[in-house]
Amino acid sequence: GAVVSQHPSWVICKSGTSVKIECRSLDFQATTMFWYRQFPKQSLMLMATSNEGSKATYEQGVEKDKFLINHASLTLSTLTVTSAHPEDSSFYICSARTTEANNYGYTFGSGTRLTVV
Amino acid sequence: KQEVTQIPAALSVPEGENLVLNCSFTDSAIYNLQWFRQDPGKGLTSLLLIQSSQREQTSGRLNASLDKSSGRSTLYIAASQPGDSATYLCAVIKTSGSRLTFGEGTQLTVNP
Repeated sequence: GAVVSQHPSWVICKSGTSVKIECRSLDFQATTMFWYRQFPKQSLMLMATSNEGSKATYEQGVEKDKFLINHASLTLSTLTVTSAHPEDSSFYICSARTTEANNYGYTFGSGTRLTVV
Repeated sequence: KQEVTQIPAALSVPEGENLVLNCSFTDSAIYNLQWFRQDPGKGLTSLLLIQSSQREQTSGRLNASLDKSSGRSTLYIAASQPGDSATYLCAVIKTSGSRLTFGEGTQLTVNP
């Protein structure tokens, strides 16, 4: 089946630094990837949609200069949290839509727990 | 705007019981519907995908049904086990390649 690998699974960083999270599709080409944020005991909140080779589309209220998304290839998308602050601490999850969406739908990474101290 | 509702928000059952989780959506014009499981601190695991032309899908002890006209889907779990304890999320997709719209999830606890 379709597998999405997300790294790192957890990261602790100091305020003001930047953190990069990677999302890779291992055995399929992901033309579209999605980045979500999840707060404790809440459902997923879509942050942005990225398409390979073009600019990401951000949801209302999400700062594009703070959450930089790069989808440079059909198997890799990255989310960089720039100048991180404690309020950016959260669980971030990526998702990819397989080109065989009828078989697999959307596949999710294992998530990244970001803690900013 | 599509809205997805899941009932109940939380459910606690004894091991071995059969149970049903409910999902309803306001716009019946969907491309497909997907059920996921999320364990604490983990990503989402896809359980079942139902295309708009299908009425149900089965995988092991899980059976998901879809009634587009009434805007409802159910996830049936047979002979529940403690390992089934997790949050179950349903999500609908309006068109191919578009975003998922999630429900708030049902937190299931199966007691040994």
